[in-house]
Amino acid sequence: DTAVSQTPKYLVTQMGNDKSIKCEQNLGHDTMYWYKQDSKKFLKIMFSYNNKELIINETVPNRFSPKSPDKAHLNLHINSLELGDSAVYFCASSQANKDEQFFGPGTRLTVL
Amino acid sequence: GENVEQHPSTLSVQEGDSAVIKCTYSDSASNYFPWYKQELGKRPQLIIDIRSNVGEKKDQRIAVTLNKTAKHFSLHITETQPEDSAVYFCAASWNTGFQKLVFGTGTRLLVSP
Repeated sequence: DTAVSQTPKYLVTQMGNDKSIKCEQNLGHDTMYWYKQDSKKFLKIMFSYNNKELIINETVPNRFSPKSPDKAHLNLHINSLELGDSAVYFCASSQANKDEQFFGPGTRLTVL
Repeated sequence: GENVEQHPSTLSVQEGDSAVIKCTYSDSASNYFPWYKQELGKRPQLIIDIRSNVGEKKDQRIAVTLNKTAKHFSLHITETQPEDSAVYFCAASWNTGFQKLVFGTGTRLLVSP
């Protein structure tokens, strides 16, 4: 299947822990994104990478660190998790100079 | 930076009726306006988009209109069906080789049989 995939789908963890979410796309796209969707469904961009280079870095706590080992992968590492980090995190990708962004299935993070 | 407002937050219609969702944006440099549909527990999916050099675009039962002067754009769904029930998001961005989509706050559409 050609798609954007994320692992894990669900993540339940304690405050203070460190966790990672992985994203992979096999669409051959150059640009990948991380979005956060909170409990009120607000969808907000966090980061974007183009060919492994960080191009968008919104006002996100530095506990969040994206890493792009190659242009098909964009991972999100979160240190010292807080209750407010609970949300659904979506990865997305797009082709350079094309408009449509393709979203992954999302990772529901619950911090207890 | 760009700010996108979306109304209404919820919309209930009867099957067969039309539904209209409206968005306004703040940055006149924005040139790309997509609409995403998100079903419960699923990922957002693009349903239609419009660029700033076009005033209207239609795809079967859905259409989008853009008024650049007033900086607003709207989604129109005709002959609504229960499977149209979802949360709809508008967004705005300017594409300079990559996009920074700024999303509206979403509209929950409920179509009753």
